[in-house]
Order: sequence, then structure tokens, then C-alpha cells
Amino acid sequence: AQSVTQPDIHITVSEGASLELRCNYSYGATPYLFWYVQSPGQGLQLLLKYFSGDTLVQGIKGFEAEFKRSQSSFNLRKPSVHWSDAAEYFCAVVGTGGGNKLTFGTGTQLKVEL
Amino acid sequence: GAGVSQSPSNKVTEKGKDVELRCDPISGHTALYWYRQSLGQGLEFLIYFQGNSAPDKSGLPSDRFSAERTGGSVSTLTIQRTQQEDSAVYLCASSFGRYNEQFFGPGTRLTVL
Repeated sequence: AQSVTQPDIHITVSEGASLELRCNYSYGATPYLFWYVQSPGQGLQLLLKYFSGDTLVQGIKGFEAEFKRSQSSFNLRKPSVHWSDAAEYFCAVVGTGGGNKLTFGTGTQLKVEL
Repeated sequence: GAGVSQSPSNKVTEKGKDVELRCDPISGHTALYWYRQSLGQGLEFLIYFQGNSAPDKSGLPSDRFSAERTGGSVSTLTIQRTQQEDSAVYLCASSFGRYNEQFFGPGTRLTVL
């Protein structure tokens, strides 16, 4: 069964600093990978997705992620964090073998210090 | 209305009562999903609809949980004889096409007293 690991439960960065949120997945074939963001009291918003092709994908709000098959990773990055980026971030995978359900990581809570 | 909508946004009920949660997907989206988000369990898949059929119900935690979808559109998640452990935020998502990009609604926060 597929699984997703987000090893960092909480991360605090200063505004303007760079950010990297880690995500590792377990799946036998090439998965479809996603990053979602959830602000307090809100639903999930898709930041970016990877299906195939270029392993560096660009998303909304200045985020990007890199798919590394050798490391089974799909880390999310942003070069300069804004205070409004404070939220919870979820990495998710959909298996390409037929199942359509998203399997989520446990999330990383991002705090931004001004 | 461009997004997924859910109602009610909040629901408080007493243990043992039945509740119905509604989801209106994005128009034209053929797939619809229910997830549950709770402190102890994180984000969990409940059920997936393709059209009006549910090919994957594997995430429903007990037979107290059921869901239906009519007209390939609106879906209702029903929880019978609610228990305190059912307290969670119930999220609905919809998608169209092969790549399973799912768009989420704002959720229904269920509190069972």
C-alpha cells in the first residue's frame, strides 16, 4: 500500500527566509504527487502536482517541488517565505494502478516569524 | 458557484442521533470523494464515487457510515447513531479526468456531544 511521510511536524522560519518541507513516499510505480495547503478553518488548496516529465514543478504562490525517484522524495520549496504562508502543508499521493484515493502525510505546520 | 460546496459548515449533535452531510461538487466533475480529518487520525479517505457508483468504499469506518450520490452530482454522507469518535471535519472533493487533481470543499465540522 502506498504511504507518505512528512518527518517534520512543526517548522518555524523567519519571514524572507527560504523554506523546504520534506515529503517521502512509498509506492511501487511512479506515483502522482501533490502538495496541498490548509489555512485555519479552510479546506485544502492545491499548490502543485507532479504526474510525469520535468521533475521540477512550479506551483502557485511561488512554491516549487522536485521529484527525486532515487530518494522517493517530493520536497516543497520556496525561496522567500511571506507571513501569509503560515499554514499546514500536506503532501499526498495517488497510486497510478487504479485507485483514485489520495493518501496524505500527517502534515507540517509552518509558523512564520516576523 | 465555481467551487465545491458543503453544508452545513458546522453540525453539533447528540450521541446516538443520525446526521446527514451534503456535498455539491464542481459542475461536470465525474468523481467525488469524502475524507475525514481528525486530530488523532489525520486526513483519511472514506469513499469514492465515479458517477453515481461507489467503486471504493474501503475507508468507511463502520456500517454506521453510508453515502450516496444522485444524478452524478450531489452527494450525501450519512452517519447513523453517532458516537463521540465521529467528531471530525468531513471534507468533500471532486475531480474530472484522468489525473485526479482533486478540488476540496471547506468541510463540515461535526461535533458529537
